[in-house]
Amino acid sequence: KAGVTQTPRYLIKTRGQQVTLSCSPISGHRSVSWYQQTPGQGLQFLFEYFSETQRNKGNFPGRFSGRQFSNSRSEMNVSTLELGDSALYLCASSLERHTEAFFGQGTRLTVV
Amino acid sequence: DAKTTQPPSMDCAEGRAANLPCNHSTISGNEYVYWYRQIHSQGPQYIIHGLKNNETNEMASLIITEDRKSSTLILPHATLRDTAVYYCIARNDYKLSFGAGTTVTVRA
Repeated sequence: KAGVTQTPRYLIKTRGQQVTLSCSPISGHRSVSWYQQTPGQGLQFLFEYFSETQRNKGNFPGRFSGRQFSNSRSEMNVSTLELGDSALYLCASSLERHTEAFFGQGTRLTVV
Repeated sequence: DAKTTQPPSMDCAEGRAANLPCNHSTISGNEYVYWYRQIHSQGPQYIIHGLKNNETNEMASLIITEDRKSSTLILPHATLRDTAVYYCIARNDYKLSFGAGTTVTVRA
């Protein structure tokens, strides 16, 4: 059974640009969550999607957004990139909202 | 989510059992104890979770004290590939609140 797939694995963007990251959950999983990992802040919750609806959002500015499609695939978008947005962005999927979550390998975003 | 406390680091010898402690003295009755690990620059890997009974799977065992204020993750035969940061999380809702975890180094 394939795991959570995140694309791209690595990305370099310039300040002010926007970026879209993609996450394909494990087949049959309906919940997708996104996390940001930085050396200073550790792993922080960004948002959670279930049945194409954002259910919860962490403490991040409105530049961070996302969506989920009918096949449960999810994308997150960061607009007007700042240097501080450089991080490992992780997607996790779970069968239902409160069941164990399985993470992808992440997308390493570098903003220059 | 209840706050958890873990030692910042620990070493263990290859082939021996590794016992990772976690304190969650403020855990509420509906919060599960979850363990994840993260090998450098990879996504966190789910290990095991439990509510109040001890649990075992192919990776590890989870021992939760009767009062649920602490737990221990046991890796029965540590290998070099078990070197990672291990996170103990008390979870009652949709998100996982990661702390700093324990950096475990398995030495040959």
